[in-house]
Amino acid sequence: AQTVTQSQPEMSVQEAETVTLSCTYDTSESNYYLFWYKQPPSRQMILVIRQEAYKQQNATENRFSVNFQKAAKSFSLKISDSQLGDTAMYFCAFMSVALNFGKGTSLLVTP
Amino acid sequence: DTGVSQDPRHKITKRGQNVTFRCDPISEHNRLYWYRQTLGQGPEFLTYFQNEAQLEKSRLLSDRFSAERPKGSFSTLEIQRTEQGDSAMYLCASSLGTGNTGELFFGEGSRLTVL
Repeated sequence: AQTVTQSQPEMSVQEAETVTLSCTYDTSESNYYLFWYKQPPSRQMILVIRQEAYKQQNATENRFSVNFQKAAKSFSLKISDSQLGDTAMYFCAFMSVALNFGKGTSLLVTP
Repeated sequence: DTGVSQDPRHKITKRGQNVTFRCDPISEHNRLYWYRQTLGQGPEFLTYFQNEAQLEKSRLLSDRFSAERPKGSFSTLEIQRTEQGDSAMYLCASSLGTGNTGELFFGEGSRLTVL
């Protein structure tokens, strides 16, 4: 079974700073997809970024980038130039039959 | 594109009653997923459909839970004889494709409170 672990329940960052959210996972598969989803307060979950395991290059989407370490089964999310609108729960997820989510990291961006 | 819609958004019921949630996916999406999310936790997979076929069910989906997707369009999730432990947010998501690479689009969820 695939498991996803997010070891940081809560994090805080000041506006314009950079923050990194951690995620580790466990799988026996060789090709798979990893995701970071964002869930703002009282709003629906939206995709932030996706990484295909067979691609060595780390995915980047504007201010969001990942550090994918396949051998270590690590998939961290870096948010640069943090904005107040980045305040949300962030979930790391592994795709098998369906998305398997970690418990999430609550990120608070402060002025 | 109106997104994934769920109804009702909130439901308060007494223990032992039956409840039904509806999900309307994005129109061209062939896959539909149900998840359950409790406070402070990540969403937990319940079941998914490809078109009208229910292809996978989690062991979290007890006999009191049933999901349908007639005609491969909207889906319903029914919980019979509700228990207080069923209190949670029920999330629906849809996606396009047959592989496991696609982005899931989530609805805003249906929050169930069992008294």
